[in-house]
Amino acid sequence: DQQVKQNSPSLSVQEGRISILNCDYTNSMFDYFLWYKKYPAEGPTFLISISSIKDKNEDGRFTVFLNKSAKHLSLHIVPSQPGDSAVYFCAALRGSQGNLIFGKGTKLSVKP
Amino acid sequence: NAGVMQNPRHLVRRRGQEARLRCSPMKGHSHVYWYRQLPEEGLKFMVYLQKENIIDESGMPKERFSAEFPKEGPSILRIQQVVRGDSAAYFCASSARTATPATNEKLFFGSGTQLSVL
Repeated sequence: DQQVKQNSPSLSVQEGRISILNCDYTNSMFDYFLWYKKYPAEGPTFLISISSIKDKNEDGRFTVFLNKSAKHLSLHIVPSQPGDSAVYFCAALRGSQGNLIFGKGTKLSVKP
Repeated sequence: NAGVMQNPRHLVRRRGQEARLRCSPMKGHSHVYWYRQLPEEGLKFMVYLQKENIIDESGMPKERFSAEFPKEGPSILRIQQVVRGDSAAYFCASSARTATPATNEKLFFGSGTQLSVL
């Protein structure tokens, strides 16, 4: 029973173009969403987050969009850089205990 | 990832042995979370601890797994009588306060311990 779904296991993008990573969720009680980036042999690193009261949050090259009615969020990276190549995890925060519910991740490859 | 220290990085155990995974949170952090990542899966929450207290262990398997975060020293995740299905990457994260939408507190992850059960 996956409450957070990342349906694309991988994505390949040319350097300089936009990368769009998608995430869907099923639990309408989630009210906070986060994106983490993970390099091989390292732990996830926080990238950007969004509260359910917003529909967009921007931080430099990274923008997260939230569509509550569709239970969908997306991460846009523009322009994409080779150093962005990593696995990106979408996560939702449940309740008040700090349990993050993670998707399975999308492996982004940015080609020079 | 800076500051959350996990050791060992790699741990090999034979079936039936015990595995002990250690996590030292970032300086000033008193909240520790353990997550497990099975191959080809996302991270799954296991347990949330504060100093000397288990706050939420809803993700812990009912048997063989235990966790502690003593007043002094690192948090320990202990797996008794390991089986092949326990092979996974175990990540620890810490925060200064409870991570809720209200606090906007972020979790900082360590580099993980890769457990391999032969």
